[in-house]
Amino acid sequence: SQTIHQWPATLVQPVGSPLSLECTVEGTSNPNLYWYRQAAGRGLQLLFYSVGIGQISSEVPQNLSASRPQDRQFILSSKKLLLSDSGFYLCAWRGDSNQPQHFGDGTRLSIL
Amino acid sequence: AQSVTQLGSHVSVSEGALVLLRCNYSSSVPPYLFWYVQYPNQGLQLLLKYTSAATLVKGINGFEAEFKKSETSFHLTKPSAHMSDAAEYFCAVSGENKLVFGAGTILRVKS
Repeated sequence: SQTIHQWPATLVQPVGSPLSLECTVEGTSNPNLYWYRQAAGRGLQLLFYSVGIGQISSEVPQNLSASRPQDRQFILSSKKLLLSDSGFYLCAWRGDSNQPQHFGDGTRLSIL
Repeated sequence: AQSVTQLGSHVSVSEGALVLLRCNYSSSVPPYLFWYVQYPNQGLQLLLKYTSAATLVKGINGFEAEFKKSETSFHLTKPSAHMSDAAEYFCAVSGENKLVFGAGTILRVKS
């Protein structure tokens, strides 16, 4: 069966520090991969998605970037974190078109 | 383009009462629709999905949803609420390469 791993579960970072969140999927090949953010009171915001290695679509211009160095690995990064980057970050994958997305357990990011 | 509207950002019911969470969608193609549940500090969990088979879809935890094309609706129901149903619920419609989510509805269950 397919599984998705996302880490770390919680992270506290100072303003201006770099960020790297990693997500990996097992048990499937060539998945679509997604990064979302939930900020307090702002719902589920799609940040990036990828339909293949090296293919990244950005939904919202901001202080973050994403990369997909391997088929089942999706990385969310920032060179310098802002206070507004705080939130709950979720990774998800989907197989065939029109199938549901499956989510990881999330990373709670707090910026001090 | 696809879109989803969830009516009511907060819904409160008594334990044992009917749960009704409303979702209306807009889609230029026959839609694929989903309901997810999210508990605090957890990822989203799939409750059920509509993929153009039966219009009444049964999901996990006793939830079900009915697809009504004429009303462009996909409301989520459960006959009897449990305390453990307190969570946030998201409706979603399939778009190009991604899902389009509604803003979410927080369900509160009173004892």
